[in-house]
Amino acid sequence: RKEVEQDPGPFNVPEGATVAFNCTYSNSASQSFFWYRQDCRKEPKLLMSVYSSGNEDGRFTAQLNRASQYISLLIRDSKLSDSATYLCVVNMGAAGNKLTFGGGTRVLVKP
Amino acid sequence: NAGVTQTPKFRILKIGQSMTLQCAQDMNHNYMYWYRQDPGMGLKLIYYSVGAGITDKGEVPNGYNVSRSTTEDFPLRLELAAPSQTSVYFCASTVQSNTEAFFGQGTRLTVV
Repeated sequence: RKEVEQDPGPFNVPEGATVAFNCTYSNSASQSFFWYRQDCRKEPKLLMSVYSSGNEDGRFTAQLNRASQYISLLIRDSKLSDSATYLCVVNMGAAGNKLTFGGGTRVLVKP
Repeated sequence: NAGVTQTPKFRILKIGQSMTLQCAQDMNHNYMYWYRQDPGMGLKLIYYSVGAGITDKGEVPNGYNVSRSTTEDFPLRLELAAPSQTSVYFCASTVQSNTEAFFGQGTRLTVV
């Protein structure tokens, strides 16, 4: 089983709609969780950290479910500029001080 | 602010050649990472370092070597390049292991 797994998509989303997708992780000792955004042929950039209590940043909401070992990202009122690949990133903490990336979920927002 | 700087941005290598991908950061970050990203795929960790003089293997270390003689620099060495090493290589750094990672712009490497 991969350490961090994502549905590769693509998720085709009408402009203005809501889209949500998950990321599962295998190591229950994982301590830190992030969502990164990657545009085509560019470097990944931090979208938001994911906290145990969940967090929201504008139209973006991230949740963490430790019992089921997954994190989620929800995008409301999708914009054309939200089209990108969203990478789930997990830090395994004491099990290994390294950032492990999922394969990414591609989102395409269409007019 | 320079952040994380990678050189070169593009390179074509012939099979069997060697090269070093350079990565430098000016943020005094302890942690540095090298990832490769194949087309349509996520990032795979090659090597990482938690501080000067300390390096460790990631998921796909075969065919690569690293060194970390200073906090700022983390070069990645490819020995005997193979077509399977055709990829985009990203260097990243973080203050701690659980903080935001800053990436360089990537090196696009083709081995022919």
